[in-house]
Amino acid sequence: GQNIDQPTEMTATEGAIVQINCTYQTSGFNGLFWYQQHAGEAPTFLSYNVLDGLEEKGRFSSFLSRSKGYSYLLLKELQMKDSASYLCAVPDQTGANNLFFGTGTRLTVIP
Amino acid sequence: ETGVTQTPRHLVMGMTNKKSLKCEQHLGHNAMYWYKQSAKKPLELMFVYSLEERVENNSVPSRFSPECPNSSHLFLHLHTLQPEDSALYLCASSQDQTASGNTIYFGEGSWLTVV
Repeated sequence: GQNIDQPTEMTATEGAIVQINCTYQTSGFNGLFWYQQHAGEAPTFLSYNVLDGLEEKGRFSSFLSRSKGYSYLLLKELQMKDSASYLCAVPDQTGANNLFFGTGTRLTVIP
Repeated sequence: ETGVTQTPRHLVMGMTNKKSLKCEQHLGHNAMYWYKQSAKKPLELMFVYSLEERVENNSVPSRFSPECPNSSHLFLHLHTLQPEDSALYLCASSQDQTASGNTIYFGEGSWLTVV
């Protein structure tokens, strides 16, 4: 089966950098996703990592270490609008690649 | 705008009512999903349809009944629900259910309250 651990809540200051960690256990690995979800809205896709290393997309970067079962999402130059939940997800191992989500990390950006 | 539209956005229903949630995707995708999101719990996959055929049913109670009349539309029929079924129900779609890197696109969700 799968298991995902993320911190429940984090707070950071506008303009700062924050790192949201995710550790996972899965019987087979087929990539890791990060989604952003603002309160009352749909989750939206942020990134997909399947190889080790850091992938940068503007202010957001995502890192993966398959040997450690570890990923993080790095948010730079934080803005108030970045206050949201960040969901880590891995495809399940039924062969169908349905996504299995963690509980998410609720990030609050303060002035 | 994600290309996945859900109606209604909010629904309050009694335990003896019958109602339906509707989802439509405008992305030309082949797979559609229903997820349930309860407070402080992870997203739970309920049903998966691939090319209009149900391929997964994750031990969901029979009071939830999905229907996929074509690849663009997905329904969730609700009857005799319980208060603990109150949650956000998210519809989603993806190009291909089995491909690696299968990115899922979510609708805005339907907030369901059972009274």
